[in-house]
Amino acid sequence: KQEVTQIPAALSVPEGENLVLNCSFTDSAIYNLQWFRQDPGKGLTSLLLIQSSQREQTSGRLNASLDKSSGRSTLYIAASQPGDSATYLCAVPRMDSSYKLIFGSGTRLLVRP
Amino acid sequence: NAGVTQTPKFQVLKTGQSMTLQCAQDMNHEYMSWYRQDPGMGLRLIHYSVGAGITDQGEVPNGYNVSRSTTEDFPLRLLSAAPSQTSVYFCASSYSSGRVAGNTIYFGEGSWLTVV
Repeated sequence: KQEVTQIPAALSVPEGENLVLNCSFTDSAIYNLQWFRQDPGKGLTSLLLIQSSQREQTSGRLNASLDKSSGRSTLYIAASQPGDSATYLCAVPRMDSSYKLIFGSGTRLLVRP
Repeated sequence: NAGVTQTPKFQVLKTGQSMTLQCAQDMNHEYMSWYRQDPGMGLRLIHYSVGAGITDQGEVPNGYNVSRSTTEDFPLRLLSAAPSQTSVYFCASSYSSGRVAGNTIYFGEGSWLTVV
């Protein structure tokens, strides 16, 4: 059974720092991995989707990497800003039913001015 | 530019009451789903639908019913509310399955439900 883990649960950094968020999954047979952002009291917004054949995806200051063999993905945020403060979740679709997503519990990020 | 709309935003129920959480999307998406989010547990899939008239169970379906009579609407019914159903509920939609490259999943803003 696929399990997705995100450590740490919370992270606080000063503005301007580069940071890495981690996502681990137990079954390396995945179609893709998605990173989402969730602001307090809001829904989830898709940030990046990495297909299983890809190693990296970039969007602005965000870079997501995928290493299937080790069951890990990282989300790199460059030059962090207070506006980046949010909870970041990763998710993978189930192999037997790809419209079912399995989510990690998220990392709550605070970027201090 | 509505996207996925959920109502109500907040609701307090008494144990044993029933209610329906509404979800509507205006993007003509085939795939819709309901998740619940509990502290420290991420999101868990309750029910999903791959098109009008087709629904199936997710990880935590007990105590919930769904139907999909139109492409746009996917309501979630709580049959007899229990305190364990206190949670935040999210509806999501996408044009295709999770395997497809570039498939973006759109989430509603959530419905906060408290059962006392």
